Amino acid sequence: AQKITQTQPGMFVQEKEAVTLDCTYDTSDPSYGLFWYKQPSSGEMIFLIYQGSYDQQNATEGRYSLNFQKARKSANLVISASQLGDSAMYFCAMRESYGNNRLAFGKGNQVVVIP
Amino acid sequence: DVKVTQSSRYLVKRTGEKVFLECVQDMDHENMFWYRQDPGLGLRLIYFSYDVKMKEKGDIPEGYSVSREKKERFSLILESASTNQTSMYLCASSPAEIQETQYFGPGTRLLVL
Repeated sequence: AQKITQTQPGMFVQEKEAVTLDCTYDTSDPSYGLFWYKQPSSGEMIFLIYQGSYDQQNATEGRYSLNFQKARKSANLVISASQLGDSAMYFCAMRESYGNNRLAFGKGNQVVVIP
Repeated sequence: DVKVTQSSRYLVKRTGEKVFLECVQDMDHENMFWYRQDPGLGLRLIYFSYDVKMKEKGDIPEGYSVSREKKERFSLILESASTNQTSMYLCASSPAEIQETQYFGPGTRLLVL
């Protein structure tokens, strides 16, 4: 069964607008971590933001915030004030406590920011 | 500054060749990982290692082997390359703690002819 689901088709976003990328996950482990990564066309994977399952508040890192809804098993990424450099693939990933620190990745969301 | 390096950015090999992909990290991380990335499939874990000389199969280990003789180096080996192993290969490392991210190398685009 798929642990991370990202189902949105490719998205076009107007520069300076906010965009929300959906991610749902499936786990029975009470202790887990959720990550978002950005992959520009150059190929490198860039870590954006982390949310722990026991964190009370939603994580924020600059223009990135994570809308964590634990009961719904949802961890959506919000990018505020989009910039042209935000055009990339975005991957949601989960690490479970009993998984030997391995990450399960979703299939990614393509975002294109237009001027 | 954290650094994960991979031996090649681009590699072209012929079917049947033995292929070595090298990954080196300078952060003294316990864990190292090899993924392959294909369009529409995301990242899939091939093998990982949580200590020197330790290895565990990921989701798609068939046709691959790995070696970790030193903590900083994790090698992926294609014993006999096949065309269906044409892909982007990403190496990553991480500390042991659950809240720590994995740090990725720049990737190797492998073409098997």
